[in-house]
Amino acid sequence: KAGVTQTPRYLIKTRGQQVTLSCSPISGHRSVSWYQQTPGQGLQFLFEYFSETQRNKGNFPGRFSGRQFSNSRSEMNVSTLELGDSALYLCASSPRTGGNEQFFGPGTRLTVL
Amino acid sequence: AQKVTQAQTEISVVEKEDVTLDCVYETRDTTYYLFWYKQPPSGELVFLIRRNSFDEQNEISGRYSWNFQKSTSSFNFTITASQVVDSAVYFCAFMNRDDKIIFGKGTRLHILP
Repeated sequence: KAGVTQTPRYLIKTRGQQVTLSCSPISGHRSVSWYQQTPGQGLQFLFEYFSETQRNKGNFPGRFSGRQFSNSRSEMNVSTLELGDSALYLCASSPRTGGNEQFFGPGTRLTVL
Repeated sequence: AQKVTQAQTEISVVEKEDVTLDCVYETRDTTYYLFWYKQPPSGELVFLIRRNSFDEQNEISGRYSWNFQKSTSSFNFTITASQVVDSAVYFCAFMNRDDKIIFGKGTRLHILP
């Protein structure tokens, strides 16, 4: 089975721009979660989608949004980029909700200049 | 509010030594899940173990073992006969019934040859 894939792997943007990151979960997995990882704040939960519905949301401003498609693929969008948004964005998939282990993708490294 | 503390920021041991990574959590929930993940230099988080709050049995998987003690709110991870390939950042994580996951800050483990 193919693992979780994320595209692009690396991205450089400038302040004020917007960016869209993509995540394809493991086949059959319906839950997709997004995380931001920075040296200062560590791993922080952004949001989780299950069956095209957002189930949970972390403490991030409204500039961070996401969606999930009927094939379980997910995208996250960050608008009006700030320098502090530079981070590794990780996507994880799980077959279902309810305390199941999550399988992570390799991440997208976003640099905001 | 839930919290996960990994007090050890960085640990260095010589190959073949045993090493224990500490994880302490705080919660008022009675149903929850605990996880350990490994993040090698490649960046992709690798799932190691999941434990629910009703199962305090210790677990052993090869050179890895986990000690879950609700009385001290700890979920410690021991690597026996460490190897250089064990060098990575290890994250302990807590998930409540709503699937909101909180990660500890991580422990960077260096195994010296």
